[in-house]
Amino acid sequence: GQQLNQSPQSMFIQEGEDVSMNCTSSSIFNTWLWYKQDPGEGPVLLIALYKAGELTSNGRLTAQFGITRKDSFLNISASIPSDVGIYFCAGHVNRKLIWGLGTSLAVNP
Amino acid sequence: SQTIHQWPATLVQPVGSPLSLECTVEGTSNPNLYWYRQAAGRGLQLLFYSVGIGQISSEVPQNLSASRPQDRQFILSSKKLLLSDSGFYLCALRRSQDIQYFGAGTRLSVL
Repeated sequence: GQQLNQSPQSMFIQEGEDVSMNCTSSSIFNTWLWYKQDPGEGPVLLIALYKAGELTSNGRLTAQFGITRKDSFLNISASIPSDVGIYFCAGHVNRKLIWGLGTSLAVNP
Repeated sequence: SQTIHQWPATLVQPVGSPLSLECTVEGTSNPNLYWYRQAAGRGLQLLFYSVGIGQISSEVPQNLSASRPQDRQFILSSKKLLLSDSGFYLCALRRSQDIQYFGAGTRLSVL
């Protein structure tokens, strides 16, 4: 099925570093969502974006909805060990979400 | 607030056995409900979604089926499990503004 191009696939960083990940698509979306999934649990919503160009923050997390509506990025500042997990982007179309394959983040204390 | 219940949390089943996973929601009426499968902790594959009682849309031809017998109940079934049916199954609820919220999931191992 349709998928978003999410990169990088994985990241291994030191505690305190900043992190950046992004998603791109050949299609336009009206909604971009960013989720985090901890091992053995369901994904949890981090940030929702609804307008092209929109920049939204949630604590140390910042996400932007690209002007073209075909991309989005997520930044995490000053990473901490509990940021470990898999981060997913998703775009909404016709009652369904199209998902990226995820970015696996590991943080070395 | 809305709550999603999934059970069981973990399930080990032999090949060829039947399957029934249940998802129930609270705190909302006439929700859009979704079943996803996730293999090896990566990539969510949409299996089925439902916009109402008896209304099921299948996204991927496979060994599974879904039913929605009640407004707040969504069931995933199989008559005969395959090894390839192993995975992490997630039920989701669509709220306003296109956001989906997930249950805790069921880890299915087919042996």
